[in-house]
Amino acid sequence: SQKIEQNSEALNIQEGKTATLTCNYTNYSPAYLQWYRQDPGRGPVFLLLIRENEKEKRKERLKVTFDTTLKQSLFHITASQPADSATYLCALANTGNQFYFGTGTSLTVIP
Amino acid sequence: DSGVTQTPKHLITATGQRVTLRCSPRSGDLSVYWYQQSLDQGLQFLIQYYNGEERAKGNILERFSAQQFPDLHSELNLSSLELGDSALYFCASSSRDRSNYGYTFGSGTRLTVV
Repeated sequence: SQKIEQNSEALNIQEGKTATLTCNYTNYSPAYLQWYRQDPGRGPVFLLLIRENEKEKRKERLKVTFDTTLKQSLFHITASQPADSATYLCALANTGNQFYFGTGTSLTVIP
Repeated sequence: DSGVTQTPKHLITATGQRVTLRCSPRSGDLSVYWYQQSLDQGLQFLIQYYNGEERAKGNILERFSAQQFPDLHSELNLSSLELGDSALYFCASSSRDRSNYGYTFGSGTRLTVV
């Protein structure tokens, strides 16, 4: 069956450090992979998209890698800040435009 | 404000009842997606409409139905409600240039079935 797995345990890091979140998938051949941020009681907010033929994408302090051989994406937040505390979701789309989401990883950045 | 409007924000209803959730997509977006988010399931894709036509179905129960109207707003109808239907229901829309912008989500409707 198809699965999208993210770090099930919450991640706590010190302010200024780099947070690294993992998204692993099975039985998908995604054309795109996206990362979203979700704050409690709010809708997810789109952060970054990476295509299957891209290895890495950056946006300000964010970096996403995509390894289709390992079936894994890594999401990095450098110089983390308390305001980065949220749940981060990865989402995959196959050839259609419907995205399937992982359950998310809760990140807390400690001042 | 994301540009995707969902109403109502909160809904409390009894088991067996029927409710309608409404979504207005971001201006210019033709696709609307409905998702259900519960604590133990995460975000579950329910259904997609594109310019009034059903495009794809996910894990949507037969008790649930949706439609997209000519003005592109969408409604999700939930009937014969059960306690387990209590969840956050999100609507999202996407632009034609979806590859750069992803989905835009509304702030959700919190449904509580008692």
